[in-house]
Amino acid sequence: DIVMTQSPDSLAVSLGERATINCKSSQSVLYTSNNKNYLAWYQQKPGQPPKLLIYLASTRESGVPDRFSGSGSGTNFTLTISSLQAEDVAVYYCQQYYNIPRTFGGGTKVEFK
Amino acid sequence: QVQLVQSGAEVKKPGASVKVSCKASGYTFISYEINWIRQAPGQGFEWMGWMNPKNGNTDYAQSFQGRVIMTRDTSTNTAYMELNSLRSDDTAVYYCARGASGLYYWGQGTLVAVSS
Repeated sequence: DIVMTQSPDSLAVSLGERATINCKSSQSVLYTSNNKNYLAWYQQKPGQPPKLLIYLASTRESGVPDRFSGSGSGTNFTLTISSLQAEDVAVYYCQQYYNIPRTFGGGTKVEFK
Repeated sequence: QVQLVQSGAEVKKPGASVKVSCKASGYTFISYEINWIRQAPGQGFEWMGWMNPKNGNTDYAQSFQGRVIMTRDTSTNTAYMELNSLRSDDTAVYYCARGASGLYYWGQGTLVAVSS
């Protein structure tokens, strides 16, 4: 199984400041045949199912604010919130869909400083 | 619009079975795999497996092999997840979800509580 490791576990950021979340996979999730990374990022707020923010490591889902961006390739990935807004307080998860079983990172809780 | 609507909360005793349903609407049911994922209280996500509604083929996570069965009823566009031999650590919210690249559509979740 591919192990997804997120860091940090939690992050306190001031309103308007940048938040950076890291995700490392135990093996590459890059399909060399199409040069695409099979990595997604989700946002989860209490009592709700997750919301897909980013897929293919860096493609923003429709309707997701452009302050959210994903980067990285192979085994190292980053989700950046360029300017934290009140509604961004949540837990963020990465997930690989390169192979079975699909696996998730342990989550990063983003809070206000 | 696409919707996945799950059945209601369940309370079960250890050793029992639970069957959670996920009714799909707003799209062609047989065109997309249905994933099942669970989230224990205060924890992260555990992918349980998926099912191809077109042919009923399944692929289960190793940790659930022999204990989970995923089925579907194409006449009602409903997917089912049955988990047997329940233990207290199966207490979780169970989600169905669908998506081609990442999981875009999720059910609202079904709480399954296992307690004696």
